[in-house]
This record gives sequence, C-alpha cells and structure tokens, in this order.
Amino acid sequence: GAGVSQTPSNKVTEKGKYVELRCDPISGHTALYWYRQSLGQGPEFLIYFQGTGAADDSGLPNDRFFAVRPEGSVSTLKIQRTERGDSAVYLCASNEATGELFFGEGSRLTVL
Amino acid sequence: GEDVEQSLFLSVREGDSSVINCTYTDSSSTYLYWYKQEPGAGLQLLTYIFSNMDMKQDQRLTVLLNKKDKHLSLRIADTQTGDSAIYFCAETRTGGFKTIFGAGTRLFVKA
Repeated sequence: GAGVSQTPSNKVTEKGKYVELRCDPISGHTALYWYRQSLGQGPEFLIYFQGTGAADDSGLPNDRFFAVRPEGSVSTLKIQRTERGDSAVYLCASNEATGELFFGEGSRLTVL
Repeated sequence: GEDVEQSLFLSVREGDSSVINCTYTDSSSTYLYWYKQEPGAGLQLLTYIFSNMDMKQDQRLTVLLNKKDKHLSLRIADTQTGDSAIYFCAETRTGGFKTIFGAGTRLFVKA
C-alpha cells in the first residue's frame, strides 16, 4: 500500500476485555515495529519484527500483550484482560530494516 | 523516552528562528532523528544526522550534534504558523533497529 495502515483508528472497550489491533505495513518493508504513545509522551517501543519473527519484544509491558506477524506482512497486536492503564495510541511503523521509520496514524485505545 | 530528554514547550513569533534542544545518553547511537507530529496525524521524519557528523542543513532546517555532550539541536529558520507541531528527538542504538524517542517539544508559533 501507499503507507502504513492501522485499524481500527479508534477502539473503546471495557476493562477485562480482549482487543486486537491490526497493522498493514508498506509493501516490501521487512521490518515492523509497534510503539505505544500515552498522552503527552513520546512513542514507547514495544516490539520489533524482522520478517515473521519477533527480533526484540523487550518493550512489551507484561504477558497480557502479544504480537504476531505470521506471513511477514500484516501484524496484529493482541491485548488480553485490558486495564485502564492500557489506554493510549498504539503506533505501527515499518522500514527496510533500518533508518527512517514510516508510521501509521495509530489506533487510539480507550479502556473504560 | 527517559533516555532522551527534551524541553516540553517552545513559543516563538512568526518569522523568528526556533531552536529545539535534546540530550541523549547512549554514546553508541548511530543515527539521530527529528520527527514531526501534527495534530491528528502520524509521526513523519523531518531530518536526521549520522553520529559522525557535526551539522546538517536542509533548507530552513539546521541540525547540530555535539557528540561529546550528547546534545542535539534543531533550528528552524523563518518559523511559520504551519511549523506548529510536536517535535520528537530520537536515537537509534547500536544494532540499528531500536529507535528511542523523547517526550516531544510542543512548538507554538504566534502570528
């Protein structure tokens, strides 16, 4: 596609529910990143994929967070048993392994 | 972004120069970036500098890097109201893939 696409753009859920956020990177980009941006903060690194494998998941806050990229293109960030503190904008970015990150517009998650 | 620090706000008059400052902690950083985020939009790369450079100029933008002090600055000449946005300083650590962001500097341009 022309740019990084993220869906949904907005998600409101209740505490304890399960949420999936989807990212479709730029075609041909082998690397895909998930970041989380809380209000008034910069993007916080969550996880990085090179191809299908998670090369670095050190930023995932706990085991309620999981991400997959089964075919090396689209990625899904999965959050189990959501908590109010999970409310943030979840950003996806891609690139050709290094250098400039190309960001999507983000998925705004609100946990009530 | 606790390893990359920026001042939170900057207000300038239209036509003046803006200087946004950043300090980082990892001396092994290879790339240093400035990203811009406009309201309701994703982050976009504004400019970048390699760690072996001292300065980079691109039209109205000048990036200065003081590697000894781990200090990066972005100067915007002839600032316009369209430059109002949040500017994020970022560094890519050794290994080349993990980019760490500061909290962002909110630039307000008064007409």
